[in-house]
Amino acid sequence: EVQLLESGGGLVQPGGSLRLSCAASGFIFSSYAMSWVRQAPGKGLEWVSAISGSGGTTYYGDSVKGRFTISRDNSRDTLYLQMDSLRAEDTAVYYCAKTEDWGSPTATGYFDYWGQGTLVTVSS
Amino acid sequence: QSVLTQPPSVSAAPGQKVTISCSGSSSNIGNNYVSWYQHLPGTAPKLLFYDNNKRPSGIPDRFSGSKSGTSATLGITGLQTGDEADYYCGTWDSSLSVWVFGGGTKLTVL
Repeated sequence: EVQLLESGGGLVQPGGSLRLSCAASGFIFSSYAMSWVRQAPGKGLEWVSAISGSGGTTYYGDSVKGRFTISRDNSRDTLYLQMDSLRAEDTAVYYCAKTEDWGSPTATGYFDYWGQGTLVTVSS
Repeated sequence: QSVLTQPPSVSAAPGQKVTISCSGSSSNIGNNYVSWYQHLPGTAPKLLFYDNNKRPSGIPDRFSGSKSGTSATLGITGLQTGDEADYYCGTWDSSLSVWVFGGGTKLTVL
């Protein structure tokens, strides 16, 4: 059974940093791309970032490019999101998602399993 | 403002049918596969369809997915109160080089 468990959320001041983790189990972690998706209060889902199975290629949404860094440790079956220069508009529940069909020129990608999410609040 | 346009809300009575539209452009829906997600706030989103109309195991055939041109549609028949949720379409946008979701549609089963 695929399981994804996010952690690391909390309250942080504007301009601060936070690192999220996502522990994966139930599948061969290194064989799959992984993504982060967030949902701000009262808003819809927003794709944040993705990383290839090897970790060699990363992708970012425009709103976080240059501030967030996605990474993975395939020896620990864990996905990370380092969030720097946080802003109030980054306040959201952050979900990690196992990602299929990602990275090739003809691939579209989709998210077949999701975690329960971790809440990040950016406020002074 | 989302790249993909969905109606904010739809509603229907139990047992009835509803459709949710997702409108995009040639840079996203027109040339890429669409997936659909069901989301109850506070829970993990669930994949309903991938590659426009492929249903993962465990998704009942009351749910249907289709695509035509630059639009996609999610259909639900035999509505149940348990279907009340937010529904999102999504795909890759080849021009923006980002993955995009629709704004989401809240389904109410009256």
